[in-house]
Amino acid sequence: ETGVTQSPTHLIKTRGQQVTLRCSSQSGHNTVSWYQQALGQGPQFIFQYYREEENGRGNFPPRFSGLQFPNYSSELNVNALELDDSALYLCASSPGGRGPPSGANVLTFGAGSRLTVL
Amino acid sequence: KQEVTQIPAALSVPEGENLVLNCSFTDSAIYNLQWFRQDPGKGLTSLLLIQSSQREQTSGRLNASLDKSSGRSTLYIAASQPGDSATYLCAVINVGGSQGNLIFGKGTKLSVKP
Repeated sequence: ETGVTQSPTHLIKTRGQQVTLRCSSQSGHNTVSWYQQALGQGPQFIFQYYREEENGRGNFPPRFSGLQFPNYSSELNVNALELDDSALYLCASSPGGRGPPSGANVLTFGAGSRLTVL
Repeated sequence: KQEVTQIPAALSVPEGENLVLNCSFTDSAIYNLQWFRQDPGKGLTSLLLIQSSQREQTSGRLNASLDKSSGRSTLYIAASQPGDSATYLCAVINVGGSQGNLIFGKGTKLSVKP
C-alpha cells in the first residue's frame, strides 16, 4: 500500500507565471485536500475534492484551482503567481467521501511541494 | 471564526524530561481534534486523534487530552528523546466542516537536547 505522493518536490517560478502541482492519493482513498503552509505558519486549507468535484473551499482567490481525476489523483493550479504564494503545498487524502469525518477518516499527508516565487 | 492557538511557540528541554504542549480553540463545536508531528521541510504525521465525545487518547509515550467545553487540548510527552525534536501541530474540524478541512494552529517547535 503506497502513501500520498506529490510532485515536484521543489520548484522555482517567477511572479506572474502559472504552476501545476500533482498529488497521487493513498490506495483506497477517494477524497483529496490541498493545504498551503507558509514558513513558520500552520497549514491553511485551500480546497477539497471528492468524485472529481470541489467539496469545500478555504479563503483563497479563484486563481487557485484544482482537478481530481477518475483514479482520485489531483492537481493544484495557481495562476498569476505572487511572491506570497511561496510556501509548502501539502496534499492529503482520506477514505471518507462527502460525509462528516469519523474515526476512520484520518487524513494521510504527502511530503509536500516547496514552491518559491521570485 | 474558529481560531487555534498553540503555546509555547518553541520549547527546548533536556533529554528525559516530561513535557506538555498546549492547544486552545475558540469554538467548541468540533468533530474532533488531532495532533500532528512535522519534521523540517516535510509533510505531517498524525500522532493522535480525539473525537469530540472522548476525553483522551494514548499512544506509547504520548497522551493527548481534550476538554471541549473549555476549548483546550494538551499533548503530554513522557521521557522525551532527541528524536522527538520536531514541530507539533494541533488541528480541529468544525461541526459542519468537510472532513478534509482541518484548522491548524501555528505549532510548537520542540527541541530535545541530548
